[in-house]
Amino acid sequence: GAVVSQHPSWVICKSGTSVKIECRSLDFQATTMFWYRQFPKQSLMLMATSNEGSKATYEQGVEKDKFLINHASLTLSTLTVTSAHPEDSSFYICSARTVREKLFFGSGTQLSVL
Amino acid sequence: DAKTTQPTSMDCAEGRAANLPCNHSTISGNEYVYWYRQIHSQGPQYIIHGLKNNETNEMASLIITEDRKSSTLILPHATLRDTAVYYCIVREYNFNKFYFGSGTKLNVKP
Repeated sequence: GAVVSQHPSWVICKSGTSVKIECRSLDFQATTMFWYRQFPKQSLMLMATSNEGSKATYEQGVEKDKFLINHASLTLSTLTVTSAHPEDSSFYICSARTVREKLFFGSGTQLSVL
Repeated sequence: DAKTTQPTSMDCAEGRAANLPCNHSTISGNEYVYWYRQIHSQGPQYIIHGLKNNETNEMASLIITEDRKSSTLILPHATLRDTAVYYCIVREYNFNKFYFGSGTKLNVKP
């Protein structure tokens, strides 16, 4: 299957700092990428849809100024958690859609904010 | 919003077939059924998807009822490594949204 690379796998940061997470489609071009977050023992919650060359579409209740998404190329989308606080600690997962309408996921980033 | 209903958990003996049901009674004609699974602390893994006809690949089989209101994912010979949360998702072709429901925790036991 297609490969989606997500980096870093885990990050620990101090409260108030910003963290950037990268998501790359390695062997295909993805016009659309999705960002999810997942709390322990819960399902994945869609945060936003990222389309190459345009602004991301955020789900209701997700602060767009808090979670900055950039999709500058067909193979790269980034999520920046700005001024992170302990309640932002979570497992963040990206995914990319192929032309055959399959969705492939990155391995996830565990964010811990102290 | 998730449009599917799945049992919270299921057990299966190693080597036996695992049959995971999914109810999607409000599915519309242009919506596909997708199955993914997530092993602890990893990203979800694509398994299979279909529209009307039954589908089979190297991982699993997908059986969709004639009225399309429910489906079953079949893992023909479950192994311990198949222990995971399995998600059934209904989504339109050329979708811009992909929502996960609560999924089924499959426990494969020796």
